[in-house]
Amino acid sequence: EIVLTQSPGTLSLSPGERATLSCRASQSLNSRYLAWYQQKSGQAPRLLIFGASSRATGIPDRFSGSGSGTDFTLTISRLEPEDFAVYYCQQYGSSPYMCSFGQGTKLEIK
Amino acid sequence: QLQLQESGPGLVKPSETLSLTCTVSDDSIGSSAYYWAWIRQPPGKGLEWIGSISYSGSAFYNSSLESRVTISIDTSRNQFSLKLNSVTAADTAIYYCARRTEKMITLGGLIGWGYFFDYWGQGTLVTVSS
Repeated sequence: EIVLTQSPGTLSLSPGERATLSCRASQSLNSRYLAWYQQKSGQAPRLLIFGASSRATGIPDRFSGSGSGTDFTLTISRLEPEDFAVYYCQQYGSSPYMCSFGQGTKLEIK
Repeated sequence: QLQLQESGPGLVKPSETLSLTCTVSDDSIGSSAYYWAWIRQPPGKGLEWIGSISYSGSAFYNSSLESRVTISIDTSRNQFSLKLNSVTAADTAIYYCARRTEKMITLGGLIGWGYFFDYWGQGTLVTVSS
């Protein structure tokens, strides 16, 4: 079973700054299986990125994903006030039809 | 716009069975392109995948919950369901249903399937308490 570890646990930044969130897999992962989600307080998660680097429908281009093997990154180029939330990475498919999430990174306003 | 809606009791007694249903707003539940999943989130904590099921009833479960979980599907009613037995306070969580989509992705010149949850229900809080 692949374990995903996200860092940092909490990231404090100001609007307009660049955010870099990390997701490390316990073993090499096919990039097609890696997705990122945003969750705001009291809401269901929202898909941001799939296949490690493809933006989901309607997601602004300030969100980008990259990485391969065991190290993946979500970058928000210029933070908007609405971007402060919790972000989760997720893998689905590494072992057939199995899924796991990272523990999340909270992005908070500095 | 696809909608998913969870329903079921908000309070379950310890040692009893938690039962939830997710109603899907269209008949895509009968498509081979999708799996249908349950995911939970204890208050203030992260997301945990419980399991997924196909339109034909093929189900896959989180190994940590497999002995207590059953997911079933009724395509005629556009619904799929979760049963979790022998619950304890540790099963208190918001339970989400979601659609797992598969998509052909090209990376580094190679093509293959990618999988992700693109539609989610709003979630329902289930509390385990006597």
